[in-house]
Amino acid sequence: ETGVTQSPTHLIKTRGQQVTLRCSSQSGHNTVSWYQQALGQGPQFIFQYYREEENGRGNFPPRFSGLQFPNYSSELNVNALELDDSALYLCASSLDPGQQETQYFGPGTRLLVL
Amino acid sequence: GENVEQHPSTLSVQEGDSAVIKCTYSDSASNYFPWYKQELGKGPQLIIDIRSNVGEKKDQRIAVTLNKTAKHFSLHITETQPEDSAVYFCAASIYSQGGSEKLVFGKGTKLTVNP
Repeated sequence: ETGVTQSPTHLIKTRGQQVTLRCSSQSGHNTVSWYQQALGQGPQFIFQYYREEENGRGNFPPRFSGLQFPNYSSELNVNALELDDSALYLCASSLDPGQQETQYFGPGTRLLVL
Repeated sequence: GENVEQHPSTLSVQEGDSAVIKCTYSDSASNYFPWYKQELGKGPQLIIDIRSNVGEKKDQRIAVTLNKTAKHFSLHITETQPEDSAVYFCAASIYSQGGSEKLVFGKGTKLTVNP
């Protein structure tokens, strides 16, 4: 086990609703990255938080937002849910970015948008 | 652009045989290449990684090779066992000027090891 936990494990929402996903990073890690994994695809980078600041974002619209807290846990918020947002959402924790540090993934939250 | 190509998409081998998965990447600045194993209903688990200052790394039955000139890296699993059956992802690390370090993943290889 990686020590990275995510909640909830599963979630069903309807189009237009908002959702918040949570991630607790591995002890000692100050960086959290969020990825979206569609069925049958590799994970795609959403954004990264380092010491409570967003320091990089992938090709996702502004309705995807996040937070990192002083204990380095993190939230991913998605507003105005669309059917295509149905996916497995993964968080990964690591040490300082730019140092080729390993990213350790949590088990993911499976989101279904109806 | 940032892209990682992974082949094959599916691979079926007999128990005890070897399995090889190949990836190519586009960003010449990439210096870190992890491989993840993902079992059904679980998150990706790191199995081995390689940094650009070495050409090969081995951990028991698993080895990875890297050719930076060709922008190519491969995963080799020897003496495969049924519990090796899973989806395997290669990835390349990309560091941006904003300070983030993200992983760009291939599309995955579904490995089936037949008893």
